[in-house]
Amino acid sequence: GENVEQHPSTLSVQEGDSAVIKCTYSDSASNYFPWYKQELGKRPQLIIDIRSNVGEKKDQRIAVTLNKTAKHFSLHITETQPEDSAVYFCAASRGAADKLVFGAGTILRVKS
Amino acid sequence: DSGVTQTPKHLITATGQRVTLRCSPRSGDLSVYWYQQSLDQGLQFLIQYYNGEERAKGNILERFSAQQFPDLHSELNLSSLELGDSALYFCASRGSGNTIYFGEGSWLTVV
Repeated sequence: GENVEQHPSTLSVQEGDSAVIKCTYSDSASNYFPWYKQELGKRPQLIIDIRSNVGEKKDQRIAVTLNKTAKHFSLHITETQPEDSAVYFCAASRGAADKLVFGAGTILRVKS
Repeated sequence: DSGVTQTPKHLITATGQRVTLRCSPRSGDLSVYWYQQSLDQGLQFLIQYYNGEERAKGNILERFSAQQFPDLHSELNLSSLELGDSALYFCASRGSGNTIYFGEGSWLTVV
């Protein structure tokens, strides 16, 4: 089955700097790659997603890139703010009928 | 508010007991997923239902079972509870698109 690896497990950045979180997946049939943000004790919330027919997607300070050949996808957060501090999870899925397999998560700390 | 409703929000029970967690998906969503999140752990997929039928199974223990009813709500039954079952249990639903929406979760503490 699908296996998603996520790095780093923790990431500390200074406010205003950029943060990059990377994931790799094993199942070449996966075609949907969302990123979720989870604050302590809260539910995971979708922040951005990308499908396999697209190489990059941006939404304000957040961007996701996908390299299908290498089975890599990454989350980029620019101009980080203290409220970006949370746990970020990547995930992979074969599509609308399939489950999401999550990476282990990255704790992002933005220091002000 | 994601539109996915879970009850109860918090539950404390003793080892050996049985509990039922309930989930109402977003209106019209046919797919329901259950995930377990232990302390300092990621989101572990337990089971998926689609329109009343089991669609996929993950790392779900034999002591755990689930079902989805004709009105599309789902229940996760946890029996012979152990201390290690203490976790946050999430239900999520998906409609016709790709996006999966999570409920607020049910905090289970086994003492």
